Amino acid sequence: LAKTTQPISMDSYEGQEVNITCSHNNIATNDYITWYQQFPSQGPRFIIQGYKTKVTNEVASLFIPADRKSSTLSLPRVSLSDTAVYYCLVGDWGITGGGNKLTFGTGTQLKVEL
Amino acid sequence: DTEVTQTPKHLVMGMTNKKSLKCEQHMGHRAMYWYKQKAKKPPELMFVYSYEKLSINESVPSRFSPECPNSSLLNLHLHALQPEDSALYLCASSQRGGGASTEAFFGQGTRLTVV
Repeated sequence: LAKTTQPISMDSYEGQEVNITCSHNNIATNDYITWYQQFPSQGPRFIIQGYKTKVTNEVASLFIPADRKSSTLSLPRVSLSDTAVYYCLVGDWGITGGGNKLTFGTGTQLKVEL
Repeated sequence: DTEVTQTPKHLVMGMTNKKSLKCEQHMGHRAMYWYKQKAKKPPELMFVYSYEKLSINESVPSRFSPECPNSSLLNLHLHALQPEDSALYLCASSQRGGGASTEAFFGQGTRLTVV
C-alpha cells in the first residue's frame, strides 16, 4: 500500500494561493492520487483526482511530476471557508477483485486567516 | 442523486445496548465502506464490501458486525460497545468506471457516544 506523507499543518491568509504537497514514494502503477477536504464532524468531500501531469477543476489544481512520487494540491485565492483538513489518498477507488484498502494519512490542517 | 445518507446522525447507547447504523446510496455503486474517526484523527478503515460481499475486515472487534443486505444499503450492527468506541462513523461508496478510478462519496457520519 502506498503510504502518504503530508505536512501536519499550514497557515495562510485570505486571497493567497496555498500549495500542499504529498509524498507517496511507493505509488503503484494503477494508483490514482485523490484529495479530500474535511470539515469538523462532517464526512470528507472529494476535491480533485489525477493520475499524472496536471489536473484542474473549478476549485483546485493537482500537479503530479513524471515519477509520480509526490503531488501538490494548489488552492487559488483561499478564503476563511477553506479552513479544513486536507487528505491525500493514493490507491484505486474502483472495484477490482478483492476490494480496495484505501487508507487516510494524517492529513494537513489548513488554517486561513484574515 | 450523489448522496450517501447515514442514519441516525447522533446516537447515544449504553454498553449493554444493541443498535444499528444505516447507510444508503442510490448511485449504483457496488463498493461500500465503513470508517471510524476519532477526534482530530484521520478516518480509519473498518470494512469494505464489494458487490455485497465482505472483502476487507481490518481486524475489527466482533462487537461491530457489518451487513450489506443489497447493493444500496449498508448496516453496521453494534453490540456490547465500550466507551472508547465513541467516534464518528463514516460510510462511503464508490464505483469504477471504464478503466479510470473514480471518486468515493462519503456520508455525513453518525456521531456515536457510548455511555
